[in-house]
Amino acid sequence: DGGITQSPKYLFRKEGQNVTLSCEQNLNHDAMYWYRQDPGQGLRLIYYSQIVNDFQKGDIAEGYSVSREKKESFPLTVTSAQKNPTAFYLCASSIAGGFYNEQFFGPGTRLTVL
Amino acid sequence: KNQVEQSPQSLIILEGKNCTLQCNYTVSPFSNLRWYKQDTGRGPVSLTIMTFSENTKSNGRYTATLDADTKQSSLHITASQLSDSASYICVVSMPSGGSYIPTFGRGTSLIVHP
Repeated sequence: DGGITQSPKYLFRKEGQNVTLSCEQNLNHDAMYWYRQDPGQGLRLIYYSQIVNDFQKGDIAEGYSVSREKKESFPLTVTSAQKNPTAFYLCASSIAGGFYNEQFFGPGTRLTVL
Repeated sequence: KNQVEQSPQSLIILEGKNCTLQCNYTVSPFSNLRWYKQDTGRGPVSLTIMTFSENTKSNGRYTATLDADTKQSSLHITASQLSDSASYICVVSMPSGGSYIPTFGRGTSLIVHP
């Protein structure tokens, strides 16, 4: 089964704790992305990576960190510095530099801070 | 500032009826425009993509149009079905440093009633 997976689907965290969201793809895509989606707002880019061991900040990177040690994996850590972490988080992947750059999205992780 | 504005914010129609969703953008330079369908609690899935030279693209009951001069696009849904209930997101990409950066609209929430 080819695709992009995210885990867990639902995640609860106490205020002040760090939490890591998993994203894995077996599409052999070079580029991977993390977005945050809040009710009534468009997707906002947190971090993206065009190649292994390299990543760039998106529009709202503060309070988040990522790593890209393997092509297939792009985990996102939500740190305690993120002031409003409750949101729906989407991971995506695409062919790097592709003109049509279709991004394939995972099913998402809904994070709730208690 | 690059923006993508969608209207209406939400729409309710009866099963079997047609509807049209609008997307206006200020993104420049323009690379391509894509419409995504996002079911509740799921990741977006691409419906259509159009480049500067294309003014219409169909995918089954979905037909997208693009007027690059006025920077407007529309998504027409014919003979709506209950499964069309979802959020429809317009995404406009611009070239940047060898890649393509997407700007997401906030989406139109469509509800199809039996």
